[in-house]
Amino acid sequence: DAKTTQPPSMDCAEGRAANLPCNHSTISGNEYVYWYRQIHSQGPQYIIHGLKNNETNEMASLIITEDRKSSTLILPHATLRDTAVYYCIVRHMEYGNKLVFGAGTILRVKS
Amino acid sequence: NAGVTQTPKFQVLKTGQSMTLQCAQDMNHEYMSWYRQDPGMGLRLIHYSVGAGITDQGEVPNGYNVSRSTTEDFPLRLLSAAPSQTSVYFCASTRYRQGRNYGYTFGSGTRLTVV
Repeated sequence: DAKTTQPPSMDCAEGRAANLPCNHSTISGNEYVYWYRQIHSQGPQYIIHGLKNNETNEMASLIITEDRKSSTLILPHATLRDTAVYYCIVRHMEYGNKLVFGAGTILRVKS
Repeated sequence: NAGVTQTPKFQVLKTGQSMTLQCAQDMNHEYMSWYRQDPGMGLRLIHYSVGAGITDQGEVPNGYNVSRSTTEDFPLRLLSAAPSQTSVYFCASTRYRQGRNYGYTFGSGTRLTVV
């Protein structure tokens, strides 16, 4: 699976959009981009995933660049409860669904 | 719908003891996996299974055994506990279809301390 690079930490004001970047310059055509988050000591929570097109669900939007070498997770109106570690993961669509976690980005939402 | 249930939530073991961490899901997911998370680090894959009777090793399998006799259950066995196995253990499941991708559902974790 392609490696990802994320900033170690970011701050965001409550009510503003949080934009979390991820670089995956070695991504191949059969690899998806996934985002998960982990709040405090809880189990990770699935947020969104995509292959080529931008995706949106009730939690967030995922913007993937045209060359697919980077992506941005957008939380449109961050709340204090969105403070968490956010993991960007690239995974091959055929490889047995194994999920490999990196260090992630600590997002701190401040009032 | 309970999702993924892990028991126990907390456990203290003495070095050399054995135990089984339980994981059960009620979503009829084919794929199940075990991760461990050490303080300040990301999750590392221990073992996984793509269906009943099929298991395989992840990144850090040494010292752990798994079996998958039913779709619902995927227990993780520590054969002889060591202090290095002190960690938080997460079980996860997802649907499995060749060439398709789905989000994982994680359990709330088992916090294990080996003294």
